[in-house]
Amino acid sequence: DAGITQSPRHKVTETGTPVTLRCHQTENHRYMYWYRQDPGHGLRLIHYSYGVKDTDKGEVSDGYSVSRSKTEDFLLTLESATSSQTSVYFCAISETGGGQKLFFGSGTQLSVL
Amino acid sequence: AQSVAQPEDQVNVAEGNPLTVKCTYSVSGNPYLFWYVQYPNRGLQFLLKYITGDNLVKGSYGFEAEFNKSQTSFHLKKPSALVSDSALYFCAVDADKLIFGTGTRLQVFP
Repeated sequence: DAGITQSPRHKVTETGTPVTLRCHQTENHRYMYWYRQDPGHGLRLIHYSYGVKDTDKGEVSDGYSVSRSKTEDFLLTLESATSSQTSVYFCAISETGGGQKLFFGSGTQLSVL
Repeated sequence: AQSVAQPEDQVNVAEGNPLTVKCTYSVSGNPYLFWYVQYPNRGLQFLLKYITGDNLVKGSYGFEAEFNKSQTSFHLKKPSALVSDSALYFCAVDADKLIFGTGTRLQVFP
């Protein structure tokens, strides 16, 4: 999947625990995104980054934070996981913003019990 | 507000028959329009994009999409379906932000 690695691929955790998902790219693309995929909702943007230490919120950012200290890594943190955050999380990258195609990782299946 | 709709949750078609997966959108201005495909346990893969110009856009794996400005539609088409085309298809529109539809599952039967 276009030089994008997501880890872990699967995670089961308990309500109230912190969780960090990692996205690593080898394409040197400027933009990185975190989406969640849920039945009936398609993909919804959580946060995105347009450069090192430059991030912004998406449409479903509550309960999530992100960090990007290096071009290749974009971390998504659930500070205190809730059952409503059970989902499949996808990282995506693009060379630039605005109208560019996205390349997606293989996803992380997160279950919050 | 910007929105995109995929009115069919599932489309069933026999192998060798033509297929259409529908997408309509509501935006102000001239959007970029995309189709992505998702195979099981994989991320989305880019199929094609419309920016401007010819209303018929050709993409990967023999797919094409027809842009219709008056009907604000961007339907995905393929003249002859293959069983291997069975997957989840997402339409997306980018006016000032990228928004995905809810997806349509395409099932091609032998």
